[in-house]
Amino acid sequence: DIQMTQSPSSLSASVGDRVTITCRASQSISSYLNWYQQKPGKAPKLLIYAASSLQSGVPSRFSGSGSGTDFTLTISSLQPEDFATYYCQQSYSTFMYTFGQGTKLEIK
Amino acid sequence: QVQLVQSGAEVKKPGASVKVSCKASGYTFTSYGISWVRQAPGQGLEWMGWISAYNGNTNYAQKLQGRVTMTTDTSTSTAYMELRSLRSDDTAVYYCARVGTRAQRWVFDYWGQGTLVTVSS
Repeated sequence: DIQMTQSPSSLSASVGDRVTITCRASQSISSYLNWYQQKPGKAPKLLIYAASSLQSGVPSRFSGSGSGTDFTLTISSLQPEDFATYYCQQSYSTFMYTFGQGTKLEIK
Repeated sequence: QVQLVQSGAEVKKPGASVKVSCKASGYTFTSYGISWVRQAPGQGLEWMGWISAYNGNTNYAQKLQGRVTMTTDTSTSTAYMELRSLRSDDTAVYYCARVGTRAQRWVFDYWGQGTLVTVSS
């Protein structure tokens, strides 16, 4: 099975900061990588697919990059509503869609 | 608009079974798969499995093989997830999600609201 590892597990930042979250796959997954945002008590929300494509309606301050085994999610200027937990997910394995363990983004 | 509406919270005793439903609307049910994801209290997302609403094909996470069964009822556009031999560590919020495509990549584009399953004696 493909394992997904995110770092850091948690991150403290201030409004206006630029933050980067990393996701590493245990084998090459090309660009079959999605990012989700989850707020407390809510279902996850799709942010980015195919490693770097922004889901419709997602603000342009979110961006993704990477290919193969190493990927990043960047938020260019943190807004108050961005404090949440972020998950990467691989969709390379047919009908097996594992998640990373999550990165909790907290207000400093 | 696409909606996935799940059944209500459940409390079960260890060893029992639970069946959670996920009723879809706003799209052609048989054109998409459904995945189930769970989240234990304070923990991350765990993918449980996938079912094709077109033909009922399934794929389950290895750790749940033998305990989980996913089914669909196309007449009511409803997906079901049954988990048997419940243990305390099965206590979690269970989500269904539609498996759509973006740029020929699978994505979970719509999610249910979640169903809390509590396993306690």
